[in-house]
Amino acid sequence: EDQVTQSPEALRLQEGESSSLNCSYTVSGLRGLFWYRQDPGKGPEFLFTLYSAGEEKEKERLKATLTKKESFLHITAPKPEDSATYLCAVYTGGGNKLTFGTGTQLKVEL
Amino acid sequence: DTEVTQTPKHLVMGMTNKKSLKCEQHMGHRAMYWYKQKAKKPPELMFVYSYEKLSINESVPSRFSPECPNSSLLNLHLHALQPEDSALYLCASSQTGTSGADTQYFGPGTRLTVL
Repeated sequence: EDQVTQSPEALRLQEGESSSLNCSYTVSGLRGLFWYRQDPGKGPEFLFTLYSAGEEKEKERLKATLTKKESFLHITAPKPEDSATYLCAVYTGGGNKLTFGTGTQLKVEL
Repeated sequence: DTEVTQTPKHLVMGMTNKKSLKCEQHMGHRAMYWYKQKAKKPPELMFVYSYEKLSINESVPSRFSPECPNSSLLNLHLHALQPEDSALYLCASSQTGTSGADTQYFGPGTRLTVL
């Protein structure tokens, strides 16, 4: 069975303090890995799709990387507005089904 | 434009009521999804429509009834719900849903409370 594990569960950073969120996965045949950001009470906002090991994508202060076992979401010099829950999900084909991790709740303080 | 809209934003209903949630997208996507999300949990897939046909039903109770009138619209009809059905209901869409890992774009959700 496909499994996605995110760590840490919660992370508190000072503004400007860079860090990384981890998403490790055990799947049979990864077709895609997705990162979403979710604010409380709102729908997930798409950030990145990664398809193959070695791939990297960047957007503002965020950079996502992918290996054969895990993905990292690097946050450089975060700001309070980066506070949210970050969700990782994998797609293994055989139907339109995403398997989500339980998320990392990030809080960035002044 | 990657917008998925959902109405209403909030819904309070009694256990004997019948109500509907609506979802709309104008991105030309041919796959649409309903998810349920409880507090501090990831979204759980309920239904998938691909080319207006129901392709996945994740063993959802019959008190939830999906409908896809056309490629842009998705409804979720609710009847005789239980308090434990209170959650954030999310709609999503993706390009085809049949080839590879299409990115799913989510709507803002409907916050449902069942009294």
